[in-house]
Amino acid sequence: DVVLTQTPVSLSVTLGDQASISCRSSQSLEYSDGYTYLEWYLQKPGQSPQLLIYEVSNRFSGVPDRFIGSGSGTDFTLKISRVEPEDLGVYYCFQATHDPNTFGAGTKLELK
Amino acid sequence: EVQLVESGGSLVQPGGSLKLSCVASGFTFSNYWMDWVRQTPGKSLEWIGEINTDGSKTNYAPSIKDRFTISRDNAKSTLYLQMSNVKSDDTAIYYCLQFAYWGQGTLVTVSS
Repeated sequence: DVVLTQTPVSLSVTLGDQASISCRSSQSLEYSDGYTYLEWYLQKPGQSPQLLIYEVSNRFSGVPDRFIGSGSGTDFTLKISRVEPEDLGVYYCFQATHDPNTFGAGTKLELK
Repeated sequence: EVQLVESGGSLVQPGGSLKLSCVASGFTFSNYWMDWVRQTPGKSLEWIGEINTDGSKTNYAPSIKDRFTISRDNAKSTLYLQMSNVKSDDTAIYYCLQFAYWGQGTLVTVSS
């Protein structure tokens, strides 16, 4: 199975700061069709996860442009510029390139 | 508005069986692959499996393969997860999802 390693495990920030989360894959996530099926989710307390980014860098409908996904191959990053209160929660990366699909263990974003 | 509503979660004894349902609305159910994901009490997310649009193809995570079966009824816009020979490790909130859209989840507790 593909292992996604997220770092850091937790991240303490001040509102307005930039936050950066890394997701490293044990195998390349580029599929044979040329697409890379790497997604980012945010789970707020008491809620279901919500999709932020799909195919590495595409923001889902309604996601603010302060969320920026980047990377290729095995190395991916989610950056959040100017963290706002509604950004707090647990972030997960997820790959749908290889079966079985797998999630990272999560990164908790909290206030300093 | 896309809605996914899971049901069927309950307390079940080890070795027992349970069938979860997910009723979809707000989109053409028969046009989309559907997935099941679970979240354990330790809070990690695990992809369980997926089913194609007409139900002819399924993919499963190794941890549940041969014990769980995903099916669908397009006429009823309903997704199913048949769970058999359940173990304590299957205790989790079970979510159905269609790409970015998740249900609220249904809790399955495996305990004697």
